[in-house]
This record gives sequence, C-alpha cells and structure tokens, in this order.
Amino acid sequence: GENVEQHPSTLSVQEGDSAVIKCTYSDSASNYFPWYKQELGKGPQLIIDIRSNVGEKKDQRIAVTLNKTAKHFSLHITETQPEDSAVYFCAASGSGGSNYKLTFGKGTLLTVNP
Amino acid sequence: EAEVAQSPRYKITEKSQAVAFWCDPISGHATLYWYRQILGQGPELLVQFQDESVVDDSQLPKDRFSAERLKGVDSTLKIQPAELGDSAMYLCASSLERYSPLHFGNGTRLTVT
Repeated sequence: GENVEQHPSTLSVQEGDSAVIKCTYSDSASNYFPWYKQELGKGPQLIIDIRSNVGEKKDQRIAVTLNKTAKHFSLHITETQPEDSAVYFCAASGSGGSNYKLTFGKGTLLTVNP
Repeated sequence: EAEVAQSPRYKITEKSQAVAFWCDPISGHATLYWYRQILGQGPELLVQFQDESVVDDSQLPKDRFSAERLKGVDSTLKIQPAELGDSAMYLCASSLERYSPLHFGNGTRLTVT
C-alpha cells in the first residue's frame, strides 16, 4: 500500500518568514495530494490540494508543488502569521482502484512566533 | 458552511465496555469515512462507505469494531469490548462522491481506562 513520509515533524519560524513542509510518497499511481491543517481540539481542515496533472498550485499565501518523477510534494506558506500555527498533514491517494484511499503523513507542528 | 457533525465530543469508558460514536455527514455527501488518529500521528482509515455499502474495511479490527450506515446518511461506529489501545481520536469525514475532497468533523476523543 501507499506510504507517506513527512518532514520536518516540528517547525518553528518567525512571523513573516516562510515555512516549507515536504512529503514523499511510495505509490507511483497516486494522483491526488491534499494538505490539511489541524488546530487543537478540531478535525483536519483541507487548505489546498493538487492533482497529478498539475505541477504547482497557489492560493494566496499557500502554494503546493508536485514532482511526480521524484514522488514528492511540498507545502509553502509565505508571510506566516501566528494564526498559521497548527499541525499540518499531507496525504496521498493510493491506487486502490475504486476505493480512493487517502494515506496521511505523521504531521508537522508549525509554530509561528510573533 | 455545512459541517460534519460528530457526537459525543469526549468519551471515557472502562476497558471491556461497549462504546459507540455517531456521525452525520454533510447533506448530500455519498461517501463517508471513519478514521482513527492516535496522538501525534496522522489519521488512519478504518472504514469507508459509499452510500450504505462498505467499500473498504480492510483496516477495521472486525473482532471488536463494527460500523453501519443503514440509510446511507448518518453512521455509527461501535467498539465492543474496548481495550486500552483504543484510546484515540475517532474522526468522521464525508465527501460529495468517491473522488471529491474530504471534509472532517471535529472528532470524538476516546479514553479507555
């Protein structure tokens, strides 16, 4: 099955700096890569996603890049703000045919210091 | 914005007892998922429904866990008997269809003592 590795496990930045989180996946058939933000006591919230026919996608301060050849994708947050502090998860859809199964990374705790 | 509703938010139970969690997906969402999230880790899929049918329960410990979605709307996840290792956050998610983005509820935090 699919295996998703996520780095770093913790990341601390100063307000206004950029933050980058990287993920690798194992199943070359995976074709959907979402990123989720999870705040304390809440469920994960989808912040951006990318499909395998696109190399980069941007939404305001958030961007995601995908390198299918290397099987890795990254989340970039620019001009970080204290409210960006949370746990971020990457995920990849496996090749489970009709089952469309999402496999998550172990998460990155992002702390933005004012 | 429509949300996935889950209850209870918190549940404390003794080992060997039965426990049940309820989920009401976003209206019109055909696909429903139950995930388990152990502290410090990412969510792991337990079971996936398409309407009222199970399409993936390969990671569900079927000797003690059961899930149903009888009318293809809300769903119940049951554990009997609960074990200490079942302590985790149980998350429900739904999507409009099988290949659409997932929307998560805020989960049920289970503590087994």
